[in-house]
Amino acid sequence: DVKVTQSSRYLVKRTGEKVFLECVQDMDHENMFWYRQDPGLGLRLIYFSYDVKMKEKGDIPEGYSVSREKKERFSLILESASTNQTSMYLCASSSNEDRVFGEGSRLTVL
Amino acid sequence: GENVEQHPSTLSVQEGDSAVIKCTYSDSASNYFPWYKQELGKGPQLIIDIRSNVGEKKDQRIAVTLNKTAKHFSLHITETQPEDSAVYFCAASIYWGLMFSGGYNKLIFGAGTRLAVHP
Repeated sequence: DVKVTQSSRYLVKRTGEKVFLECVQDMDHENMFWYRQDPGLGLRLIYFSYDVKMKEKGDIPEGYSVSREKKERFSLILESASTNQTSMYLCASSSNEDRVFGEGSRLTVL
Repeated sequence: GENVEQHPSTLSVQEGDSAVIKCTYSDSASNYFPWYKQELGKGPQLIIDIRSNVGEKKDQRIAVTLNKTAKHFSLHITETQPEDSAVYFCAASIYWGLMFSGGYNKLIFGAGTRLAVHP
């Protein structure tokens, strides 16, 4: 069964902490994405990557960075977490127009 | 900018009734329209999609219709069951040029519809 795995389902961090969210896919997809999901706002694209070491900003990149050192792994980094980054974070991968999503990482910043 | 509006935000139906969720998109160049279902505690999962050269597509109890002129597309679920209860997202694809690698199809998502099917 093909999968996108997000290593942390629930995290609680303090303001100012550095946060790493990890995502691994086993489908050999070129494209990987990080979305943020908030009630009433749908899914908003933070960053995506179309190849190893390549990245593009999405609609809401401020306060976030990403890393893709290997094809199967895409990491989202919050350099200094803030309370307004409390949210559900979804990783996805694709080889075409569709997206295969992970189960999400719910981050709470206190 | 590009936008997808989705209505209603919540929908409550009795088991066996039909449910309809509607979306409107802004970019007339959009050519791919997927629908995702998100069950509690899980990530969104593709349930059906339609391309702009097709007006309707069905898969058992689920159907999607597309009106390109009006820039509307809708999800229809017939004979609803309690396991249909979930949040549903529509999306429209937009070609997005990249600086170093041609381009790719970006998905713009609607805000979601929470469907509750009561036994």
